Amino acid sequence: NAGVTQTPKFRVLKTGQSMTLLCAQDMNHEYMYWYRQDPGMGLRLIHYSVGEGTTAKGEVPDGYNVSRLKKQNFLLGLESAAPSQTSVYFCATGGLAGFTGELFFGEGSRLTVL
Amino acid sequence: TQLLEQSPQFLSIQEGENLTVYCNSSSVFSSLQWYRQEPGEGPVLLVTVVTGGEVKKLKRLTFQFGDARKDSSLHITAAQPGDTGLYLCAALSGTYKYIFGTGTRLKVLA
Repeated sequence: NAGVTQTPKFRVLKTGQSMTLLCAQDMNHEYMYWYRQDPGMGLRLIHYSVGEGTTAKGEVPDGYNVSRLKKQNFLLGLESAAPSQTSVYFCATGGLAGFTGELFFGEGSRLTVL
Repeated sequence: TQLLEQSPQFLSIQEGENLTVYCNSSSVFSSLQWYRQEPGEGPVLLVTVVTGGEVKKLKRLTFQFGDARKDSSLHITAAQPGDTGLYLCAALSGTYKYIFGTGTRLKVLA
């Protein structure tokens, strides 16, 4: 049982290049999230999805796009990468929202933009 | 704007010492969670507190939710090297958005 799987785990890009991060979950969770983690900033929400075919903006959405064509997959795209997007990206999933909703995280994807 | 502020940002202590980490906000939340993250891994849930004033204990870890549901604390008794990690508080902002605090990086020296 893989849980939440992120690919790739490491990537180096040049400024202006594009790429897509894939998050795949096998827990049948409705909600999926993309966060970025930078030193001293904790986790900041980029985009999220509350179900197949839906997406919404988080705290720091600029420069990113997402898609949720299938319930088990949530894609994060960078159309024109910038050095400010150098970060570790985490995908998380959750079942029903509510008081005790627990988020399950992938192992992270480290992206460096030169 | 980060809605959840954690303090201290860094903490380095000797094994056996006690410590308290704080998570503060100006907003009221219906519940608050604490996660721990180890290097190279994603955060893992430690506890969820849902009632103002609630205290939960997890072995040597004690979690408290403020009476006004705006803040929380994590107290570790007799810290061990295995407690080393990044501690993050998290809360629901709206119906589906989980936001996280700025994090406290703890290092326990043997």
